[in-house]
Amino acid sequence: NAGVMQNPRHLVRRRGQEARLRCSPMKGHSHVYWYRQLPEEGLKFMVYLQKENIIDESGMPKERFSAEFPKEGPSILRIQQVVRGDSAAYFCASSPVSNGQETQYFGPGTRLLVL
Amino acid sequence: AQSVAQPEDQVNVAEGNPLTVKCTYSVSGNPYLFWYVQYPNRGLQFLLKYITGDNLVKGSYGFEAEFNKSQTSFHLKKPSALVSDSALYFCAVRGEGATNKLIFGTGTLLAVQP
Repeated sequence: NAGVMQNPRHLVRRRGQEARLRCSPMKGHSHVYWYRQLPEEGLKFMVYLQKENIIDESGMPKERFSAEFPKEGPSILRIQQVVRGDSAAYFCASSPVSNGQETQYFGPGTRLLVL
Repeated sequence: AQSVAQPEDQVNVAEGNPLTVKCTYSVSGNPYLFWYVQYPNRGLQFLLKYITGDNLVKGSYGFEAEFNKSQTSFHLKKPSALVSDSALYFCAVRGEGATNKLIFGTGTLLAVQP
């Protein structure tokens, strides 16, 4: 059973460009979570999605960031007009259910560098 | 609001000695607590969790954690450290309300010397 897949693993963008980060959850998992890890910091929650629904986006910056989890295909975290402060590791996690007791399984992350 | 504190940025221990990585939490209801480990340039790997039941939770790679309600702690332990245990360890608590987000501590770097 393949784990959570994320691509690309590394992404370099210039200021003002768009970044698209993809996450394929583990087989059978329909709940996806995105977290951001800034240098020398812990992980911060960004958004929680189920298929075709955003459940909690309380950690998402108000502008330039969006996320989706379509019926078919991976979850996408999109950052428009990137700035240097967006440079971070972005991790996706998935779980099969969402009852508070479930384990979230993490992908390897996408490391975004904004020049 | 839920929060997690990891008071030590780094823990140094000699190989073969017992190790403890500390975590304290603050929650308004029943705590759901987790430990993850992160190796350099890798994602987080799940080690163990406390939901309910026995206060001593056993997990992967010989790790265990002790839930202490009166001290609001969930320290990670291992009887005999290995050099390969050297990594960044994160404690997390499940957020309150309907969301299932995890709230992470700032992490503790464990360095095991041969």
